[in-house]
Amino acid sequence: DIQMTQSPSSLSASVGDSVTISCRASQGISNSLAWFQQKPGKAPKSLIYAASSLQSGVPSKFSGSGSETDFTLTISSLQPEDFGTYYCQQHYSYPLTFGGGTKVEIK
Amino acid sequence: EVLLVESGGGLVQPGGSLRLSCAASGFTFSDHYMDWVRQAPGKGLEWVGRIRYKADSYTTEYAASVKGRFTISRDDSENSLYLQMNSLKTEDTALYYCARVGCSDGTCYPGDYWGQGTLVTVSS
Repeated sequence: DIQMTQSPSSLSASVGDSVTISCRASQGISNSLAWFQQKPGKAPKSLIYAASSLQSGVPSKFSGSGSETDFTLTISSLQPEDFGTYYCQQHYSYPLTFGGGTKVEIK
Repeated sequence: EVLLVESGGGLVQPGGSLRLSCAASGFTFSDHYMDWVRQAPGKGLEWVGRIRYKADSYTTEYAASVKGRFTISRDDSENSLYLQMNSLKTEDTALYYCARVGCSDGTCYPGDYWGQGTLVTVSS
């Protein structure tokens, strides 16, 4: 199975900051990576697919990059509504696997 | 508007069975692979399994933790997805989501739309 490791596990940043979340795959997955945002008590929401493609309706402040084993999600100009937990998921091979999540808090 | 609505969750004893449903609307259900994903209380997301569409013979994939105990099926005439869960264990306690596999410009990817989830509690 492909292991997905996210870092950091949590972060606290100020409104207006730019934050970066990392996701590392235990083996190469090409660009088969998705990013999700989950707020407490809510279902996950798709942000990015194919490592860098923005899901329809998602603001351009969210961006993804990377390929093979190293990926990043960047949130520019952090706003209070961006709090929540962010997950990466590889869909290169079965079983599909998620990273452990990164909890983003607003200072 | 794409809608996915799960139902069928509840309290069940260890070793018991439960069948979850996911009612889909707002899109052509038969054109999409579908996934089940679960989330134990206070924990992260865990992919449970997938069912492909008719053109791919409705074949399925499962996580090792549920293989042989859980079965995913679908009824395209009813726009419905199912998860039959047998031999349930306490560690199966979780919120279970159905999620659509989306495709755009020839690229397919999981989770473009999610339901709100249905809670399964396995306890004596």
